[in-house]
Amino acid sequence: GNSVTQMEGPVTLSEEAFLTINCTYTATGYPSLFWYVQYPGEGLQLLLKATKADDKGSNKGFEATYRKETTSFHLEKGSVQVSDSAVYFCALSDRQGGSEKLVFGKGTKLTVNP
Amino acid sequence: DTEVTQTPKHLVMGMTNKKSLKCEQHMGHRAMYWYKQKAKKPPELMFVYSYEKLSINESVPSRFSPECPNSSLLNLHLHALQPEDSALYLCASSQDPPGALKNIQYFGAGTRLSVL
Repeated sequence: GNSVTQMEGPVTLSEEAFLTINCTYTATGYPSLFWYVQYPGEGLQLLLKATKADDKGSNKGFEATYRKETTSFHLEKGSVQVSDSAVYFCALSDRQGGSEKLVFGKGTKLTVNP
Repeated sequence: DTEVTQTPKHLVMGMTNKKSLKCEQHMGHRAMYWYKQKAKKPPELMFVYSYEKLSINESVPSRFSPECPNSSLLNLHLHALQPEDSALYLCASSQDPPGALKNIQYFGAGTRLSVL
């Protein structure tokens, strides 16, 4: 079945450091890919998405490019802030039973120190 | 407005209690979802409703009973739960027109459930 593999955390960075969180996927066909973020005590928020190969999703300084040749969707940010501390989930869409479901990676906890 | 509202935010219940979780959205979305999230884990899909009909049941125990009274509301009825059912329960919704593969799911803040 479809699956997502995400780099293990936790990741601890200093403010203004460069961030990369690796994500690779296994899927039949060409799923949409997503990054969701979960701040402490909250639900998930969509951070960015890409729906086809070579698409680049971007939001709030974060970027990820849909790479079909490497089946990857790595998350990057050039300069992280303390407010970026959260858990980040990579996910893909999967159609089942006429409905769409998300398949999540295990999540990566990011802590940014001042 | 991209808000999904879940109530209550916190719930403590005994193993013999019956309680319900509620989820509401007014975005005109026709697909609604229940997820269970244990600490330090990703959300696990429980149920999907599409056009108010149960579309996916991920082999969830019968002590969890979903209900979709109308296109804006989704309930999760709880009965005879076990302590291991303690978790964050998340609701989500998406547009889900037929044949679409690119829908975004919008999540509520969740109900944190403790079963004693």
